[in-house]
Amino acid sequence: DAKTTQPPSMDCAEGRAANLPCNHSTISGNEYVYWYRQIHSQGPQYIIHGLKNNETNEMASLIITEDRKSSTLILPHATLRDTAVYYCIVRVDSGGSNYKLTFGKGTLLTVNP
Amino acid sequence: GAGVSQSPSNKVTEKGKDVELRCDPISGHTALYWYRQSLGQGLEFLIYFQGNSAPDKSGLPSDRFSAERTGGSVSTLTIQRTQQEDSAVYLCASSFGTGYSNQPQHFGDGTRLSIL
Repeated sequence: DAKTTQPPSMDCAEGRAANLPCNHSTISGNEYVYWYRQIHSQGPQYIIHGLKNNETNEMASLIITEDRKSSTLILPHATLRDTAVYYCIVRVDSGGSNYKLTFGKGTLLTVNP
Repeated sequence: GAGVSQSPSNKVTEKGKDVELRCDPISGHTALYWYRQSLGQGLEFLIYFQGNSAPDKSGLPSDRFSAERTGGSVSTLTIQRTQQEDSAVYLCASSFGTGYSNQPQHFGDGTRLSIL
């Protein structure tokens, strides 16, 4: 799986959009970008994933650059409950043992009132 | 719809005792995974079940650890003769199987295991 780089921490005001960046310059053509988050004392929560097109669901939007070397997770109206560590992962389910998820250090997003 | 359910949510036991942790995956998910997460650490893969295939047990740290999945649904992770280093949060995840390419894994909230 390609390596990802995320800022260690970010702050966001409640009600504003939170834009979380991720660099994945060595991503392969068939690797997807996944985002998870982990709120304190809870299990990791899947947010969204995509290959090359921008994606949106009820939780967030995922913007992937045209060269696919970076992406941004957007929480459009952050709330205090969005305070969590956000993990960006790139991987492909191509058989073998690629199902073994590993998280890096992620970005601690703190949403402030 | 119901997510991945794990029980108990917390377990405190004495060193040397056996423990059983339960995972109820999302209905329809054929793949089931166990991980553990020690305080401040990342995910450590333990075991993977996919349908009727032989499980991938390559992540189990010792022969004190075992897991089974009955009827392709509920799974139990058993730790025998627990040691203090077994203290961690044990996470279960499920997904549609690898035949459905790139389906995400969905996690439960884990069992926090503390060995005294």
